[in-house]
Amino acid sequence: EVQLVESGGGLVQPGRSLRLSCAASGFTFNDYAMHWVRQGPGRGLEWVASINWNSDVLGYADSVKGRLTISRDSAKNSLYLQMDGLRTDDTALYFCARDVGPGDYNAFHTWGQGTMVTVSS
Amino acid sequence: QSALTQPASVSGSPGQSITISCTGTSSDVGTYNLVSWYQHHPGKAPRLMIYEDTKRPSGVSNRFSGSKSGNTASLTISGLQAEDGADYYCCSYAGTKFARFGGGTKLTVL
Repeated sequence: EVQLVESGGGLVQPGRSLRLSCAASGFTFNDYAMHWVRQGPGRGLEWVASINWNSDVLGYADSVKGRLTISRDSAKNSLYLQMDGLRTDDTALYFCARDVGPGDYNAFHTWGQGTMVTVSS
Repeated sequence: QSALTQPASVSGSPGQSITISCTGTSSDVGTYNLVSWYQHHPGKAPRLMIYEDTKRPSGVSNRFSGSKSGNTASLTISGLQAEDGADYYCCSYAGTKFARFGGGTKLTVL
């Protein structure tokens, strides 16, 4: 069974950092692009960042460019999101998602349950 | 990055068909055959229902179908069932901007 389990969320002050992790299982991790998608309180889904199968292609939403960094570790079957310079509008439930294929983006095939990030003083 | 445009809400009775539209531009929906649709029950993980404009992932009922004309994609649900009530989001590849979601549509089954 394909599983994605996010962790690392929590309450953090504006300007501080946080690192989210996503543990993948049930599929060959290296065969797929991976993504982060978030949903702020009372808001819709928002694409955050993407990484292709071998980390050659990275993409970021304009709202997070320069502050959030996506990465992956094939040895650990894990996806990461390093979040620096956090702002209050980064408050959201962050989902990890597996793509349909290996390229930079096709569709978000399988999703985790999400990890909540709250940025507040 | 402007979001794709979806109606805020739609409704239908059990057994009926409904269609949710998703309007983008020539920079996303109109150029790439990469529109996808997601069903989201609050508190649960979103579920992929349609990808590459018209394809259904394994396990998705054939009551769900996708189509596209120009800059507008559509999701049709036929034979509406109570469990179809949820939020639905479209998403399109947008080239260097990667992925762009719609604002979401709340489906109410009356």
